[in-house]
Amino acid sequence: DQQVKQNSPSLSVQEGRISILNCDYTNSMFDYFLWYKKYPAEGPTFLISISSIKDKNEDGRFTVFLNKSAKHLSLHIVPSQPGDSAVYFCAASGEFGSSNTGKLIFGQGTTLQVKP
Amino acid sequence: DGGITQSPKYLFRKEGQNVTLSCEQNLNHDAMYWYRQDPGQGLRLIYYSQIVNDFQKGDIAEGYSVSREKKESFPLTVTSAQKNPTAFYLCASSVGAQETQYFGPGTRLLVL
Repeated sequence: DQQVKQNSPSLSVQEGRISILNCDYTNSMFDYFLWYKKYPAEGPTFLISISSIKDKNEDGRFTVFLNKSAKHLSLHIVPSQPGDSAVYFCAASGEFGSSNTGKLIFGQGTTLQVKP
Repeated sequence: DGGITQSPKYLFRKEGQNVTLSCEQNLNHDAMYWYRQDPGQGLRLIYYSQIVNDFQKGDIAEGYSVSREKKESFPLTVTSAQKNPTAFYLCASSVGAQETQYFGPGTRLLVL
């Protein structure tokens, strides 16, 4: 049962344009969402997060949007740069029952290629 | 400077052998985690520890064991019971549960 899904395995955009990466989730108990960027053979790097009490969070070129009714979040990168080429993972966490584990549930990842 | 270190970068395991992956952090974080990544998949949680001397199983704990004797260290042992150990192993830490997790560089485990 995939609770966090990234349905697009790959995305290709031109340098300077907008990159939009999407993520869907099924568990309404999730209340904290994160995006990580990962290069091959390296650990993920934290990019940006959003709490369920917000619908938008912005940090420089990166903006995350959360639509709770649709159980959907997206990461916008504007403008896209060749150095942004990597795999992007969305992740979610929440309080499950009486256990606040901090456990992250990850999507499968989307490979972004930004062409010069 | 602060961070999370994992060693070795590459590890080779023979059939029937136990191997231990190291994870150390000097961020003064209470919580530490071990994940496994397989090709084309997201990260899956193996074990986590929210405090010293305590740890809990994640989603795929079978064939693995951990210890948390010190706040800074959370070693993962891949036992011979783990039938498909070839993967990229990632350690993470956070200030506490429900806080942002920060990852180490990873260890790639290969079976000879």
